Amino acid sequence: GAGVSQSPSNKVTEKGKDVELRCDPISGHTALYWYRQSLGQGLEFLIYFQGNSAPDKSGLPSDRFSAERTGGSVSTLTIQRTQQEDSAVYLCASSLGSDYGSEQYFGPGTRLTVT
Amino acid sequence: GQNIDQPTEMTATEGAIVQINCTYQTSGFNGLFWYQQHAGEAPTFLSYNVLDGLEEKGRFSSFLSRSKGYSYLLLKELQMKDSASYLCAVRGFQKLVFGTGTRLLVSP
Repeated sequence: GAGVSQSPSNKVTEKGKDVELRCDPISGHTALYWYRQSLGQGLEFLIYFQGNSAPDKSGLPSDRFSAERTGGSVSTLTIQRTQQEDSAVYLCASSLGSDYGSEQYFGPGTRLTVT
Repeated sequence: GQNIDQPTEMTATEGAIVQINCTYQTSGFNGLFWYQQHAGEAPTFLSYNVLDGLEEKGRFSSFLSRSKGYSYLLLKELQMKDSASYLCAVRGFQKLVFGTGTRLLVSP
């Protein structure tokens, strides 16, 4: 079956504009995660969804960042009034459940560049 | 707090064995994962340890000692395609906390 997909693959935007990043998880996966990875850095957790609810939003760096998930499937990450420090690769992952051993499957990422 | 340490970079030759260490200090522990990430690509799962000991999977093995907050990933019979970053990640209560990764360069 299809893996995790993300769109767009690349996004260049001007500072101050809003952007929306989309993630389509693997069908049937109830848990969904957003991470970001800056150049040469590790993965930084942003937010986790179980179904449509987000039990853990602790990684969102500021109130400019928000995310939602609808129908227990597609998720969008929105960044308002983008800043240059928001430039990074945004990765989405999904897993079958939220139990501790559930392997997370990653999408290819969206490379965001804020000019 | 959460802290995960692994070496920044390692080099090895084709056919050799390499061990990548990871030490961690986390407020909760529900397992340790290793992921492989080739440049420009998404991470892919390699292994999961939740109990102490060694888990072997083909050329790759992963070891965990919970009392020492320590894990290692062992790669045998290195191939050129093993050149990648190797990410150690610890599962807390819900989220996965990643280290910054170890970049492995395999030379002929």
